[in-house]
Amino acid sequence: DGGITQSPKYLFRKEGQNVTLSCEQNLNHDAMYWYRQDPGQGLRLIYYSQIVNDFQKGDIAEGYSVSREKKESFPLTVTSAQKNPTAFYLCASSDLEGNQPQHFGDGTRLSIL
Amino acid sequence: GESVGLHLPTLSVQEGDNSIINCAYSNSASDYFIWYKQESGKGPQFIIDIRSNMDKRQGQRVTVLLNKTVKHLSLQIAATQPGDSAVYFCAETLNQAGTALIFGKGTTLSVSS
Repeated sequence: DGGITQSPKYLFRKEGQNVTLSCEQNLNHDAMYWYRQDPGQGLRLIYYSQIVNDFQKGDIAEGYSVSREKKESFPLTVTSAQKNPTAFYLCASSDLEGNQPQHFGDGTRLSIL
Repeated sequence: GESVGLHLPTLSVQEGDNSIINCAYSNSASDYFIWYKQESGKGPQFIIDIRSNMDKRQGQRVTVLLNKTVKHLSLQIAATQPGDSAVYFCAETLNQAGTALIFGKGTTLSVSS
């Protein structure tokens, strides 16, 4: 089955701790994205990547970091600098050719202990 | 029954009715639009898309209408079913490969049988 896998489904962070959210896709998509969703809100872009070893900041990149060492993987680290990390994090991927919809994983819910 | 007009955060309909969900998009340069359905605890699921050179596109039980003059998008769901209950988001983007989506405020659709 082709798709996007996010793990873990639930994650808890202690004060001062960095945590990393995993996102893997087997759709052979070039572009990958990370969004944050707060309760009752739409999605806001954190980071995106169009090619391996390259990525760009989105609207709310502060307190987050990413890497893109492999085409199929785009992990997101929520650092201790992110003071309000509690949210639902969604990863997406898409083709780069023409207008193509982004396909989403089922998210990771991050909470503070 | 139907509900038309400005964006509503919630919409309640009876099973079998037609539903209309509205969205105002922000960027007049946007030329690709997508409707997503998001069920509780899951990632957004692609429903239908439309390019700016069209004003109407039909899928299975769904129709998207685009009015570029007033920057308005709508999703029509025919014969609404309880399984259609979810949050619906519109998203816009520019016609550039790998460009991230801008999401609108969602509308929660509740279908009662």
